[in-house]
Amino acid sequence: EVQLVQSGAEVKKPGESLKISCKGSGYSFTSYWIGWVRQMPGKGLEWMGIIYPGDSDTRYSPSFQGQVTISADKSISTAYLQWSSLKASDTAMYYCVRQYVIAAPFDYWGQGTLVTVSS
Amino acid sequence: EIVLTQSPGTLSLSPGERATLSCRASQSVSSSYLAWYQQKPGQAPRLLIYGASSRATGIPDRFSGSGSGTDFTLTISRLEPEDFAVYYCQQYGSSPSFGQGTKVEIK
Repeated sequence: EVQLVQSGAEVKKPGESLKISCKGSGYSFTSYWIGWVRQMPGKGLEWMGIIYPGDSDTRYSPSFQGQVTISADKSISTAYLQWSSLKASDTAMYYCVRQYVIAAPFDYWGQGTLVTVSS
Repeated sequence: EIVLTQSPGTLSLSPGERATLSCRASQSVSSSYLAWYQQKPGQAPRLLIYGASSRATGIPDRFSGSGSGTDFTLTISRLEPEDFAVYYCQQYGSSPSFGQGTKVEIK
C-alpha cells in the first residue's frame, strides 16, 4: 500500500527555522516525484515545488522560490520542506504529494502537517 | 502561469440531485492535463479525475469529467451524502495551479 506519512504539527515563533518531513512507503521512492502543496487557513491549494529523489532534481514555483528549500534523503525514503526564517504568513497546512512524472496528477497525498507561526 | 477559475463558488443541492461544476482556464491546458480533487473537512484532497475525463482508482462512476482546451466540467450524476465537500480543478501540464474551489453543500 502506497503511503506518504508526514511529521507532526509544529508551533514556532517568527524568525525560527523549521524542517518538516514526508516519508514514502509501498513504492519505489526514487522513481516518483514528491511535491509540496500549501493550504492557508480556510483557503485553497497552492503548489510550492517538487523534487525527484532519484537525483535530487528540484523545481520551485516562482511564488515560493527563495522562500523554502525542498530536499530528499533517498536512503530513508524521506522528503523535506524547510524554512530558515519563518513568518506569521507561513501559518498553513502543508501536504506532500506523489507524481509519476512532472506532468502528472497528484495521485497520493500525505495527511498534512499543520505549521503555526505565532509570537 | 495558467489561472483556473471555478464556478459557482458554492452549489446548494439535495442528495440525489445532479451537480455540475465548471473550471475555466486562462489559456489552453495542454494534452488535457486537467484533474479534479475532492476535499472533505479535516482531510487531505483526493484525486477523482485526471486527463480531464479518466476516473482515478476506486472512484465511483457517478463522477465524470469532460472538456478540453479552456473549458472543463465535473459532473456528479446523483449526489450521495458523502459527496458534499469542496472540489478543486488543477492543471498539471506546466507549473501546476489550482482553481479556488467549489463547495457543494446540502440544501
